[in-house]
Amino acid sequence: DAGVTQSPTHLIKTRGQQVTLRCSPKSGHDTVSWYQQALGQGPQFIFQYYEEEERQRGNFPDRFSGHQFPNYSSELNVNALLLGDSALYLCASSPTPDRGNEQYFGPGTRLTVT
Amino acid sequence: DQQVKQNSPSLSVQEGRISILNCDYTNSMFDYFLWYKKYPAEGPTFLISISSIKDKNEDGRFTVFLNKSAKHLSLHIVPSQPGDSAVYFCAARPGNTPLVFGKGTRLSVIA
Repeated sequence: DAGVTQSPTHLIKTRGQQVTLRCSPKSGHDTVSWYQQALGQGPQFIFQYYEEEERQRGNFPDRFSGHQFPNYSSELNVNALLLGDSALYLCASSPTPDRGNEQYFGPGTRLTVT
Repeated sequence: DQQVKQNSPSLSVQEGRISILNCDYTNSMFDYFLWYKKYPAEGPTFLISISSIKDKNEDGRFTVFLNKSAKHLSLHIVPSQPGDSAVYFCAARPGNTPLVFGKGTRLSVIA
């Protein structure tokens, strides 16, 4: 049973560019959440997707957007990259939105903005 | 404004001894608390949780204690093993809302 998978593993982008990160949830899970973990910090909630819609959003600017596909996989898009966007981006899936305590995390995508 | 605080960035413990990781919170609406463990190049893994209606939850070598009046929780690992060396995150949530994480404590268990 595959867990949560994310791609790519690492990514280097230049300021001002755009980036797309991908996530496939654990089998049987339909809810996907994205987190940003800056160096020396804990994960910070970006947003959650369920039924192809954004259900909850953390304190992140509109440059951060997402999408969920009918197969429950998800993308995180970040536009106009800033140096401060350099971080580990974690995807987590859960069986339903109401079972957030059963989140499984992927290994993350390490984004470096130069 | 950090709602979940882990004031010790790191902790070293001898193998076989007890590891105690601490976490303080400020939001009295938090009603569910979780501990996650994270190894390098892996995502956080759920370890143990506790509801605000309890003051202790135990799972094998891991026990979480909750002191609501002090807004403090702790994770006890007994006995500590080298494989427990990882970063431990405390997280909390009020109702069915997103988790709020602390900054983490790096535990090193020395053989």
